[in-house]
Amino acid sequence: AQTVTQSQPEMSVQEAETVTLSCTYDTSESNYYLFWYKQPPSRQMILVIRQEAYKQQNATENRFSVNFQKAAKSFSLKISDSQLGDTAMYFCASNDYKLSFGAGTTVTVRA
Amino acid sequence: DVKVTQSSRYLVKRTGEKVFLECVQDMDHENMFWYRQDPGLGLRLIYFSYDVKMKEKGDIPEGYSVSREKKERFSLILESASTNQTSMYLCASRSTTGLLGSPLHFGNGTRLTVT
Repeated sequence: AQTVTQSQPEMSVQEAETVTLSCTYDTSESNYYLFWYKQPPSRQMILVIRQEAYKQQNATENRFSVNFQKAAKSFSLKISDSQLGDTAMYFCASNDYKLSFGAGTTVTVRA
Repeated sequence: DVKVTQSSRYLVKRTGEKVFLECVQDMDHENMFWYRQDPGLGLRLIYFSYDVKMKEKGDIPEGYSVSREKKERFSLILESASTNQTSMYLCASRSTTGLLGSPLHFGNGTRLTVT
């Protein structure tokens, strides 16, 4: 069975600083996608960023970037210049024809 | 923007009741999903539907059933609610274009309490 592991249940960061969330996954497929989703306290889950396994270049979306280490099956999310609105639960997910989610990391941005 | 609407944000039901959770999406997506979200467990897939009248069991289908009579609507049914089904339920939809990379679009969730 495919598994996605987020080892950090909670993280706290000062506003304007950087925080990195870790995620490891397990798959035997050669083609797959990885995602980070954000669930703010209002609850609607939204896509933050995604990465195709075939692409070596790490994906970037404004202040959000990933460090994709395919051999290590690692997919971390870096939030730069953290803002109060980044406070949310973040879920890592993988899709190799079966979607799997990690347990989530709660990020709190302190003013 | 894709809109996925869940009919209730909060529900309180009694043990043994039949419960219907409704989900509607407005972007003609083929795939629809029901997840439950519990602290420390992340999202666990209950059922999904590839298309109208098609359904597949997910990882935790016991005690649940689903219905997809129309493409835009996917209903989750708790045949006889039990206290261990108290949870947050999330509906999602997805286009099949670029399938592996196609993201899920989620509803706001329904917080169900079974007493």
